[in-house]
Amino acid sequence: DVKVTQSSRYLVKRTGEKVFLECVQDMDHENMFWYRQDPGLGLRLIYFSYDVKMKEKGDIPEGYSVSREKKERFSLILESASTNQTSMYLCASSLVHLNTGELFFGEGSRLTVL
Amino acid sequence: GQQLNQSPQSMFIQEGEDVSMNCTSSSIFNTWLWYKQDPGEGPVLLIALYKAGELTSNGRLTAQFGITRKDSFLNISASIPSDVGIYFCAGPDYGGSQGNLIFGKGTKLSVKP
Repeated sequence: DVKVTQSSRYLVKRTGEKVFLECVQDMDHENMFWYRQDPGLGLRLIYFSYDVKMKEKGDIPEGYSVSREKKERFSLILESASTNQTSMYLCASSLVHLNTGELFFGEGSRLTVL
Repeated sequence: GQQLNQSPQSMFIQEGEDVSMNCTSSSIFNTWLWYKQDPGEGPVLLIALYKAGELTSNGRLTAQFGITRKDSFLNISASIPSDVGIYFCAGPDYGGSQGNLIFGKGTKLSVKP
């Protein structure tokens, strides 16, 4: 059974703190994604990685960075958290490199920045 | 850029009613995907459509790939309380990152027992 696991379901952090969100997939997928979900705005792509150590900016990369040192793991980093980064963060992975593949999502990490 | 317009934004229905939602775009898609997100969970794929005109069912769910390739519809028959959630349409991001999907803003479904 395919599995995308996000390390924390719920986090509460203070403004200015560094935040790490971890995502691990066990399907040997090449592609991994980080999305942000806000009410009324749908899912917005933050960063994307199609291979180890490779990354591409999505639609809203400002304030975020990512790390992909191993194929199965994709980390989202908030260098200095701000209140406007309070949101639900979703990690996803996919097998195919072409634009026809299904995305498999993790359960989400709900981050609150105070 | 590409955008998917999903409607309605939300629906409040009685258990047993049928539900219909749709997704439109100004540009052509060669693939349409419908996802459901249960409260507090990540989205899960319900139905994938790869051919214009295609009609595909998954239990009480039926989805259609519009013949113009610019729209898609999802119908749920005889709704039950566990149908509650947010339904997203999605298509490939041809203009952006390879492998990425463009998502509609979602239809939030509430079912009254």
